[in-house]
Amino acid sequence: DAKTTQPNSMESNEEEPVHLPCNHSTISGTDYIHWYRQLPSQGPEYVIHGLTSNVNNRMASLAIAEDRKSSTLILHRATLRDAAVYYCILWNYGGSQGNLIFGKGTKLSVKP
Amino acid sequence: DAGVIQSPRHEVTEMGQEVTLRCKPISGHNSLFWYRQTMMRGLELLIYFNNNVPIDDSGMPEDRFSAKMPNASFSTLKIQPSEPRDSAVYFCASSFGPGRAYGYTFGSGTRLTVV
Repeated sequence: DAKTTQPNSMESNEEEPVHLPCNHSTISGTDYIHWYRQLPSQGPEYVIHGLTSNVNNRMASLAIAEDRKSSTLILHRATLRDAAVYYCILWNYGGSQGNLIFGKGTKLSVKP
Repeated sequence: DAGVIQSPRHEVTEMGQEVTLRCKPISGHNSLFWYRQTMMRGLELLIYFNNNVPIDDSGMPEDRFSAKMPNASFSTLKIQPSEPRDSAVYFCASSFGPGRAYGYTFGSGTRLTVV
């Protein structure tokens, strides 16, 4: 499986934008980029996903580099509730069933 | 929808006892996944079902672990006999199809402590 590299931890101030990077230099053409987050004492939560184009939803934006070797999850205004571990996952949809395989993620701390 | 429901939320048991974890997926979802999370190993996929049929159980640690899905609205993960190294948070997740469009929805987990 293609791997991702994320910083272990990041800090942000409340109400400021946060850019969470993810490197995936060995990404294949059929790998989708998925982001999940896990709030303390909760199960992971889907955030966003994309293939080639930038994507926006109510939670975040996903910016994908033109060569697809990296991507950035953007939280436009961090809140205290956004403090969580963020996972960047490459998910190959090939075959009959793809699986969601989690790495270590980035622990985001948000300061008031 | 109440989301994915797992029970119990916490379980403390003695080594050697049988433990059964339960999961009710979201109605209409046809794929179900069991994950385990520890500090050392992070989130690991144990097994997944598609339309109640086990598709891949290669992540199940050993024969002491077994999972069943007797119908579309219920699944169990059983550990017999339990050991202290099984202590972890066990998550159940469900999705519509492979989860490509909207991802997986996870439950709140069962924290298992084996003493």
